[in-house]
Amino acid sequence: GIQVEQSPPDLILQEGANSTLRCNFSDSVNNLQWFHQNPWGQLINLFYIPSGTKQNGRLSATTVATERYSLLYISSSQTTDSGVYFCAVLTGTASKLTFGTGTRLQVTL
Amino acid sequence: DVKVTQSSRYLVKRTGEKVFLECVQDMDHENMFWYRQDPGLGLRLIYFSYDVKMKEKGDIPEGYSVSREKKERFSLILESASTNQTSMYLCASGRLRTDTQYFGPGTRLTVL
Repeated sequence: GIQVEQSPPDLILQEGANSTLRCNFSDSVNNLQWFHQNPWGQLINLFYIPSGTKQNGRLSATTVATERYSLLYISSSQTTDSGVYFCAVLTGTASKLTFGTGTRLQVTL
Repeated sequence: DVKVTQSSRYLVKRTGEKVFLECVQDMDHENMFWYRQDPGLGLRLIYFSYDVKMKEKGDIPEGYSVSREKKERFSLILESASTNQTSMYLCASGRLRTDTQYFGPGTRLTVL
């Protein structure tokens, strides 16, 4: 099956810093989503982005489908950005998402 | 806004008990999913359903069954709970095969 790798696995930032999270996948995809899991376990949709670039406030994402990667940019990070960020992909005729192992982000004061 | 709710946030059960986890979505989505999340293993799909009374096995269906009698409700059943089923269980729903999935708040199940 498809492999989804995220980097870095852990990231510590000071408040106000910018960061880039990466998601590499091993096959072509029909769907790619970025999620943020908050400290209470809730998975929150950030982007649905099988290709191209999208922005939502301080967050933006870019997927280059032909090169099989996606990037999530966080600018001016805040402590509320802490948590785990997952990318997940859907391929071919399958209906199920395959998740990456996540990037754990901690934003400190 | 899409809302996916799960019956309990925290649940403690004993080995051998039958456990029901319920998930309800309010957006008329065709697809519903059950995942479990474990440290170091990420999210793994247990079962999913693309229509009422339809179900398909995910990656780790052993020890679980599901029920979808109504479009908005998808239940996960542990027939005889075991300690290795202690985990965080997450339900999700979505409209189309390629559409975004929306997650509930999760149920943290402990089996003693």
